[in-house]
Amino acid sequence: EAQLVESGGGQVKPGGSLRLSCVTSGINFRIHYMNWVRQAPGKGLEWVASISLSGRFIFYADSVKGRFTISRDNAKNSLFLQMNSLRVDDTALYYCAADEGTETPVEMRYWGQGTRVTVSS
Amino acid sequence: SHVLTQPPSVSVAPGQTATITCGGDRLAFTSVHWYQQKPGQAPVLVVYDDRKRPSGIPDRISGSRSGNTATLTIIWVEVGDEADFYCQVWDNTNDHRLFGGGTKLTVL
Repeated sequence: EAQLVESGGGQVKPGGSLRLSCVTSGINFRIHYMNWVRQAPGKGLEWVASISLSGRFIFYADSVKGRFTISRDNAKNSLFLQMNSLRVDDTALYYCAADEGTETPVEMRYWGQGTRVTVSS
Repeated sequence: SHVLTQPPSVSVAPGQTATITCGGDRLAFTSVHWYQQKPGQAPVLVVYDDRKRPSGIPDRISGSRSGNTATLTIIWVEVGDEADFYCQVWDNTNDHRLFGGGTKLTVL
């Protein structure tokens, strides 16, 4: 059974930084496109970033480009999101999600339970 | 940037059919995926590639697409189907994932 477990969330002041992690098990991590998706309180889903199998291709939502960095460690079955210059509107529950294993982005089949990030002064 | 448009809410009685639409001018060129999110839970993939169902998803749930509109249909709706539903595509004009705004399904 696929398990994705996020960690690293917390409360931070505007302008601060956080590093989120997602450790996976039950999937062949290195063959999955990986993603971060967030959900602000009471709002819908918002895609944040995606990274290809090898990390060669990386894509960001316009709202986080230049501030967030997605990365992965295939040897440790882990996904990361370095978040810098955090803003109040980055406050959300951040989900780690895995595509079905392909070379290109497809549907996000496996999801973690999320880690909460609160940006507040 | 492109937008996926969903109705904010749909209400049906138990046993009836719920229809949730997703519109966008890029839908004709890409596959549509649907996620169900129950309160306090992570999203669950219920339909992918317009009309395919992952294992474990009941066949009461189906997807279709015609031109620039995708539709999620749930027949014989149950109280347990209450959730938010999101459509999603990969927009290859700007290499972005795009979610619809979500539709809250209420079972009266």
